Amino acid sequence: DAGITQSPRYKITETGRQVTLMCHQTWSHSYMFWYRQDLGHGLRLIYYSAAADITDKGEVPDGYVVSRSKTENFPLTLESATRSQTSVYFCASSEWSTVSGELFFGEGSRLTVL
Amino acid sequence: KNQVEQSPQSLIILEGKNCTLQCNYTVSPFSNLRWYKQDTGRGPVSLTIMTFSENTKSNGRYTATLDADTKQSSLHITASQLSDSASYICDGSNAGKSTFGDGTTLTVKP
Repeated sequence: DAGITQSPRYKITETGRQVTLMCHQTWSHSYMFWYRQDLGHGLRLIYYSAAADITDKGEVPDGYVVSRSKTENFPLTLESATRSQTSVYFCASSEWSTVSGELFFGEGSRLTVL
Repeated sequence: KNQVEQSPQSLIILEGKNCTLQCNYTVSPFSNLRWYKQDTGRGPVSLTIMTFSENTKSNGRYTATLDADTKQSSLHITASQLSDSASYICDGSNAGKSTFGDGTTLTVKP
């Protein structure tokens, strides 16, 4: 009963470095999402994907890149990390779009950019 | 711009007591409203999902209400337990996009 898993759970990096956060789900859900959670902002959508090879920008996509070559994986890459990207990142999946489906979240990846 | 506002920001209650958390949303067009529980250091877990046509939805000791006319929702927790200590997040969605509130931090004390 793995569900949705994120790795790494904790990461410390330096400004300018590339970082990739991994997300894997075992339910074969069509939709996958990346959110960041910061104090005072709630959860904000970075990118989402409706299916393999289909991705779209969310509310705060700048500085992030995603890909989805397989249904079960949805990695998030920070190509050149900045201090403002220090945050907790959550991956989520849903069988349907958020219009009617339940969102299942991973445990989060806490990223610190020095 | 879609907005979701939650109140209070934080709340402390004694074990066994009831409490109600509020969520006001400005989401258009509105599809549904969700409540999540987020334990410290964990991901959010869905408690209830309500469409615009539903007035109430229960999940054990958690009962959510929705008033689509006033654009308000509440989450009522009955007979609170220490394990209810968490952040409770409201989410209003439209056309596949979710807008999350900042959450209410609930602390249940023995």
